[in-house]
Formats: sequence, C-alpha cells, structure tokens
Amino acid sequence: AQTVTQSQPEMSVQEAETVTLSCTYDTSESDYYLFWYKQPPSRQMILVIRQEAYKQQNATENRFSVNFQKAAKSFSLKISDSQLGDAAMYFCAYIWSSGGGADGLTFGKGTHLIIQP
Amino acid sequence: DAGVTQSPTHLIKTRGQQVTLRCSPISGHKSVSWYQQVLGQGPQFIFQYYEKEERGRGNFPDRFSARQFPNYSSELNVNALLLGDSALYLCASSPRFQGGQTQYFGPGTRLLVL
Repeated sequence: AQTVTQSQPEMSVQEAETVTLSCTYDTSESDYYLFWYKQPPSRQMILVIRQEAYKQQNATENRFSVNFQKAAKSFSLKISDSQLGDAAMYFCAYIWSSGGGADGLTFGKGTHLIIQP
Repeated sequence: DAGVTQSPTHLIKTRGQQVTLRCSPISGHKSVSWYQQVLGQGPQFIFQYYEKEERGRGNFPDRFSARQFPNYSSELNVNALLLGDSALYLCASSPRFQGGQTQYFGPGTRLLVL
C-alpha cells in the first residue's frame, strides 16, 4: 500500500520569508500524481499544486513551487514571500495513475503552517 | 461556477442511528469521491463513484455505503453509527475517472456522534 509521510507536524515562518514543507512517499508504481492541498481553518480543502511523476520539470504556481525527487520519493513544497493568508494545514497527497483513481488520494497527516507577522 | 456543495454542514446523531450526507459535484464533473477526516489527521478515502457505478472503495466497514444519481450528485450513508464515526466528511469531484484528475473538494459535513 502507498504511504505518504509528512515529518513536520508544525512549521513557523516570518511573513515575507520562504518556507519549505517536506513530504516523502512510498510506492512501487512508476506512473502517479502528487498534490499539495491547503486546508485553512474554514476546513475547505484547496488545491495548491499538482505534479505528474513522468515530468521531470518541477511544477510552479505563482509563489508556490515543488522540489520533486522521484528516485528519492520526495516531494517538498516551497512557499516564497509568505503571506498571512498562507496560514493553514498543508497536506501532501498521492494517487496512482493507472488505477483510474479507484484507490483515491492517499494523504499525509499534514503540516500546520504558522505565519508570524 | 459553483464549486462542490455538501449538505448538511453540521450534524449531530446518537450511537446506533443512521445518517445520510449529500454532495453535488461541480457542473460537468462525473466522478465523485468521499473521504473521512478525523480531527488531526489527513483525509481517508471511502468511495469513488463514476457514471453511477462504484469504482473504488477504501478500507471502511459495510456500514458505509454510497450511491450516485443520474445528475452525478451523490449520497453517503452510514448505518449503526459509532462514536468513532465522528469526523469531517469530505466530498470531491473530478471531471473523469482517471487517477491524474485533480479532485476538487467541498466544504465538508461535520458529523458528531454522541
């Protein structure tokens, strides 16, 4: 079974600085997708960024970028110029491509990101 | 465009009762997935439905069931509620049945079992 591990239960960063959230995963598959979702106190899960495993280029979305290391099974999220609105729980998630999504997303336990003003 | 909607937002039940949670996907999305999120944990996959058929099931007991309607909305049913069923239940929709499809989540239904 696939597992996703987020080793940092909580991270704190000063506003306008850069922070990196860690994620590792375990899978025997070669074709899969990885996601970072953000869950603010309102509880709505919001997609931050998506990475296809077959692409070597790291995904970026404005201030958010990933460092995808397929051989190391590592998928970290870098947030640049942190803003107060970035404060939330961040979840790393994995899904196997060839299964058609029938196994659903596998989530890590999350990292609570605190932004210090 | 409206996002994924779920009803009710909050629900309180007692042990042994039954509950039905509802989800309407984003317009045009044909796949709906259900997740259970216990406090302090990441969501856990319960079911996926596509074109009204169950396409995937997580490690949950038979007390959990779901269905998808012709308009692609979905219901999650939980029978014989236990205290441990208290959680946030999330519904997510995606356009098609493919692993790489981004799943868009609704606001969730908070279930409290007393």
